[in-house]
Amino acid sequence: DQQVKQNSPSLSVQEGRISILNCDYTNSMFDYFLWYKKYPAEGPTFLISISSIKDKNEDGRFTVFLNKSAKHLSLHIVPSQPGDSAVYFCAASSYSGGGADGLTFGKGTHLIIQP
Amino acid sequence: GAVVSQHPSWVICKSGTSVKIECRSLDFQATTMFWYRQFPKQSLMLMATSNEGSKATYEQGVEKDKFLINHASLTLSTLTVTSAHPEDSSFYICSARDRLWASVYEQYFGPGTRLTVT
Repeated sequence: DQQVKQNSPSLSVQEGRISILNCDYTNSMFDYFLWYKKYPAEGPTFLISISSIKDKNEDGRFTVFLNKSAKHLSLHIVPSQPGDSAVYFCAASSYSGGGADGLTFGKGTHLIIQP
Repeated sequence: GAVVSQHPSWVICKSGTSVKIECRSLDFQATTMFWYRQFPKQSLMLMATSNEGSKATYEQGVEKDKFLINHASLTLSTLTVTSAHPEDSSFYICSARDRLWASVYEQYFGPGTRLTVT
């Protein structure tokens, strides 16, 4: 049973427009969410994160929105640039007695920015 | 800052042999490191959590006797795939948490190791 879902395997957006990547989760114990960018045969690169006590976090062109009641989060990239083309993973974590747990990842969305 | 390296980046081994993969935090100390595996076009799956100076905690379904993890120092964790078989062929990625600066949740990932077992 997949606890973090990214239902769009790919997304194509025109350069300069807004890219919106979506993520849903089922485990209500998750209290921290992260977005990573990944190229083939490389490790993920951290982009932005959000705590469950917030509903929005912004960092430059990247904004993450969290809707706890819907168990849904989204990553907005604006304006989209060619260098943004990559696979984006949504990840979630919870805090247990010994510290934050390992991350649970979605399957990723391949974002393609078209010139 | 927050650089994590892995060695080797790519390895081919014969079925039945063992392979060791190293994960190092280069500019920070990591009391906790994680090991993930990614199959082609799949998500990253957490295999185990490695804490410096103690035994690793394995996720359900991951054989601890097959995937030996040693976190001997604050900057090094190793994953040894013992008696490797073709089905162990995968992309193995480690991550580390900066014990001083980063949020307790944020992890920095290494570049990954491509293991091919023939």
